[in-house]
Amino acid sequence: KQEVTQIPAALSVPEGENLVLNCSFTDSAIYNLQWFRQDPGKGLTSLLLIQSSQREQTSGRLNASLDKSSGRSTLYIAASQPGDSATYLCAVSNTGGFKTIFGAGTRLFVKA
Amino acid sequence: EAEVAQSPRYKITEKSQAVAFWCDPISGHATLYWYRQILGQGPELLVQFQDESVVDDSQLPKDRFSAERLKGVDSTLKIQPAELGDSAMYLCASSALLGQGGNNEQFFGPGTRLTVL
Repeated sequence: KQEVTQIPAALSVPEGENLVLNCSFTDSAIYNLQWFRQDPGKGLTSLLLIQSSQREQTSGRLNASLDKSSGRSTLYIAASQPGDSATYLCAVSNTGGFKTIFGAGTRLFVKA
Repeated sequence: EAEVAQSPRYKITEKSQAVAFWCDPISGHATLYWYRQILGQGPELLVQFQDESVVDDSQLPKDRFSAERLKGVDSTLKIQPAELGDSAMYLCASSALLGQGGNNEQFFGPGTRLTVL
């Protein structure tokens, strides 16, 4: 049974810091991994999608990496801003694109 | 920009009543997902449709929950009767398959916040 864990559960950093959020999963037979952002009381916004055959994806100040063999993904945020404050969730879809499992998220607070 | 639509945005009901949520996916997306998110947790998949067919409903409490996507476009999730423990955010998402112009990236709607009193 696939399990997804995100560490840390919460993180507070000063503006301008570079930071790394971690996501680990127990079954390496994944189809893809997706990182989302969620603001309080809102839906999820897709940030980056990494297919199982890929190693990383980049979008602006965000970079996500995937190491299937070790069951890990990291989301790197460069030069953090107060507007980055949100909960960041990773989600793993099993082979065939079915049964998406989410982690519990990392709550990020960037202080001005 | 294309978006996933959901209604209502908020719903307050009393236990034992029936409630229904509606979702309209991004046009052309064959896959539709319903999730339940309890405060402080990640979303949990309730049901996944491929066109009008259910491909995964293993986590759907079928004694009280039902979902349909009759024409393979919009979808309705129903709870009858509602219980106190059903209070949560109900999220709908859609994606386009590889080979159908997509890469299976999931896009979410704004969600329906359900409160059961």
